[in-house]
Amino acid sequence: AQKITQTQPGMFVQEKEAVTLDCTYDTSDQSYGLFWYKQPSSGEMIFLIYQGSYDEQNATEGRYSLNFQKARKSANLVISASQLGDSAMYFCAMRGYSSASKIIFGSGTRLSIRP
Amino acid sequence: GAGVSQSPSNKVTEKGKDVELRCDPISGHTALYWYRQSLGQGLEFLIYFQGNSAPDKSGLPSDRFSAERTGGSVSTLTIQRTQQEDSAVYLCASSTRTANSGNTIYFGEGSWLTVV
Repeated sequence: AQKITQTQPGMFVQEKEAVTLDCTYDTSDQSYGLFWYKQPSSGEMIFLIYQGSYDEQNATEGRYSLNFQKARKSANLVISASQLGDSAMYFCAMRGYSSASKIIFGSGTRLSIRP
Repeated sequence: GAGVSQSPSNKVTEKGKDVELRCDPISGHTALYWYRQSLGQGLEFLIYFQGNSAPDKSGLPSDRFSAERTGGSVSTLTIQRTQQEDSAVYLCASSTRTANSGNTIYFGEGSWLTVV
């Protein structure tokens, strides 16, 4: 069975500060991938960053980085120098690479950036 | 088209009516997913198709919900005898089989269903 947990339903952060959004997961698959998506108020799902379970280095994409701690089964998203446009819902997701593994999502964290 | 296409974008239906929601995935994507998102909530997995394999229907909330995928491409999600609690955005997504860093899942814009 697979499970994704996001324990922060909402967060407020001052503009230009860094923010960490928590995500823990559980899976029996040896090989899996972890994703973060952003969903602004418009409703679209925007892919941010991906981390493979066998990747040795933490993934980075611009201001986004993924703090991957495999032994702790955590995949926290770090946003550096937050901007007002970062205000949105953020979802952590996982896919196990067994023969037929669906992608499951966490419950999300609503991030609000204060000017 | 280049992206995942869903129709209708908005649907208002009366309680008890049947509705069909359509998803046209990205060409060449073998995996197709349906999710449901209620207002302000997370994404609830409904069903997953992968190539010619039997679909994973473990997320369908009741037997009023069904989905099919014809010819490995277009998918239709059908909700029979709709209830007010079915009101939500129904999101479709597609990916290549592996959905790794270069081939993540891509979402459509969703079908907003309102049952009155």
